[in-house]
Amino acid sequence: KAGVTQTPRYLIKTRGQQVTLSCSPISGHRSVSWYQQTPGQGLQFLFEYFSETQRNKGNFPGRFSGRQFSNSRSEMNVSTLELGDSALYLCASSLVGGTNEKLFFGSGTQLSVL
Amino acid sequence: AQKITQTQPGMFVQEKEAVTLDCTYDTSDPSYGLFWYKQPSSGEMIFLIYQGSYDQQNATEGRYSLNFQKARKSANLVISASQLGDSAMYFCAMREASSGNQFYFGTGTSLTVIP
Repeated sequence: KAGVTQTPRYLIKTRGQQVTLSCSPISGHRSVSWYQQTPGQGLQFLFEYFSETQRNKGNFPGRFSGRQFSNSRSEMNVSTLELGDSALYLCASSLVGGTNEKLFFGSGTQLSVL
Repeated sequence: AQKITQTQPGMFVQEKEAVTLDCTYDTSDPSYGLFWYKQPSSGEMIFLIYQGSYDQQNATEGRYSLNFQKARKSANLVISASQLGDSAMYFCAMREASSGNQFYFGTGTSLTVIP
């Protein structure tokens, strides 16, 4: 069974640009979550999607958005990039997102904003 | 208040020795799950072990065990017989039933295994 796949692996953008990150969950997993990891703030929850609906959202500005498609693949978009958006963005999937379910993570997209 | 606290930024252990990584948590939800993940330099988060709040026994997965002390709200990870490949960042995380599917992560502990 293939794991969680994130593309691209690395991205370099300049301030003011926008970026779209992609995530393909494990086959059969319907819950997809996104996390931002920085040295200063650690791992922070962005949002979670289930059956094409955003079910939960973290404390991030509206520049951060996402969506999920009918095949459970998910995209995350960041508009008007700021230097502080430089981070490792991790996507994770689970079956339905139950309390006892572990998350399966992708290798992440390393975003650098110049 | 921090949901997950990991007080050891860095730890060193001799190869083949055991090591304990500390984790305390804060929640008023009676239903929650505690998780430990390993993050090597490659970046991918690797699941190690899970403990449910209603589980009576401490979880074990191979060389990993979780020392769950519910009253003290601690969930320490014990790695037995450390190997060089265990060198990585280790994160403790919690998911509460009342908080949807959000994971709260600690700041992590960097473990270095010395030959």
